[in-house]
Amino acid sequence: AQKVTQAQTEISVVEKEDVTLDCVYETRDTTYYLFWYKQPPSGELVFLIRRNSFDEQNEISGRYSWNFQKSTSSFNFTITASQVVDSAVYFCALKNQGGKLIFGQGTELSVKP
Amino acid sequence: EAGVAQSPRYKIIEKRQSVAFWCNPISGHATLYWYQQILGQGPKLLIQFQNNGVVDDSQLPKDRFSAERLKGVDSTLKIQPAKLEDSAVYLCASSRDRNYGYTFGSGTRLTVV
Repeated sequence: AQKVTQAQTEISVVEKEDVTLDCVYETRDTTYYLFWYKQPPSGELVFLIRRNSFDEQNEISGRYSWNFQKSTSSFNFTITASQVVDSAVYFCALKNQGGKLIFGQGTELSVKP
Repeated sequence: EAGVAQSPRYKIIEKRQSVAFWCNPISGHATLYWYQQILGQGPKLLIQFQNNGVVDDSQLPKDRFSAERLKGVDSTLKIQPAKLEDSAVYLCASSRDRNYGYTFGSGTRLTVV
């Protein structure tokens, strides 16, 4: 079975704090892709990052960073120095070899001024 | 490049009525997906098309939901008759093929009363 688990339903932080969103996945595929999407209150899904299963290098993009650990089947997302505009629901997703994107339940991040 | 277009943006119907949603993918994108996102949950795949053929419709409630993609371009998703539990956002996404990333549309928010 393929599954994505985001154990944190809601997180609330104060602006400028760092915050990490957890993601754990299950798959038997040897080749797969992992994604993070942001869904602001307006509702659209905004692509943040894609990582394939063979690339375990961590990635940093501005205030965002991602930690992919195959040994623990985790793909965690950290926002450094959070801002109010980061408030949104964040989804981790797994894409299998058939092309199907399987989403986690989402983590609602609230950044307060 | 124009994004994925969806209409209508919002729809309110009474239970047992029928409704149809339309999606126009990015030009040249062979793969098209319809997702259902119930409030507080991650999107769930309903159906995946490759050109005008169905690849995966295992989670489509076929007794009431139908979808088609004529000529491998635009797609429509229909619900007939609607139930209260169909209230959700219906998201359309497209990609060049199953190995590429997705682009999501803004979604149609359906409320069944």
